[in-house]
Amino acid sequence: AQSVTQLGSHVSVSEGALVLLRCNYSSSVPPYLFWYVQYPNQGLQLLLKYTSAATLVKGINGFEAEFKKSETSFHLTKPSAHMSDAAEYFCAVSRAGGTSYGKLTFGQGTILTVHP
Amino acid sequence: EAGVTQFPSHSVIEKGQTVTLRCDPISGHDNLYWYRRVMGKEIKFLLHFVKESKQDESGMPNNRFLAERTGGTYSTLKVQPAELEDSGVYFCASSQDRGYTFGSGTRLTVV
Repeated sequence: AQSVTQLGSHVSVSEGALVLLRCNYSSSVPPYLFWYVQYPNQGLQLLLKYTSAATLVKGINGFEAEFKKSETSFHLTKPSAHMSDAAEYFCAVSRAGGTSYGKLTFGQGTILTVHP
Repeated sequence: EAGVTQFPSHSVIEKGQTVTLRCDPISGHDNLYWYRRVMGKEIKFLLHFVKESKQDESGMPNNRFLAERTGGTYSTLKVQPAELEDSGVYFCASSQDRGYTFGSGTRLTVV
């Protein structure tokens, strides 16, 4: 079985500050890991994914995440927050291998607020 | 390339009625998934189609939910009869090789 825990349902940062959204996973098999973002009234957009290549993954909009097997973590960071980053962020895990990613198991989501 | 399309975007129905949600995946994507997010909870997997076959339906909550994928193209998810706890946002996603794209979701409210 796989599970994901996102620490903090709400995170608030100032514009220009570091963004850190925490994600820990549990998986009995090698995982694939994902971060998705959902802006109001929109679907889930893929920010980045880890698929057993480089452990530091760079995504869109200046976000990156580092896969740390020893800590079972995949935290999302961005050096400088922008007002447009305000959204809800989801961490997800799936089983590695196969020709497709299969079903995703999601965390509870973290709402990021950016204030001026 | 057109994305994953879901409709309706919103649906409000009374308890006991039937609702059908539709998902049009990206053309050529064999894998189609349904997920649901109940308010305040995490997004949960419902089922997975490979072409027209159900690969995994372990997440379907009960037999009031029926999913079909005719000819391996679009998919429908029918809820009959709807209950209050079925309210939430229903997402569809399609995948081929290493892509995985979500639709904007259908917000279902059962009153």
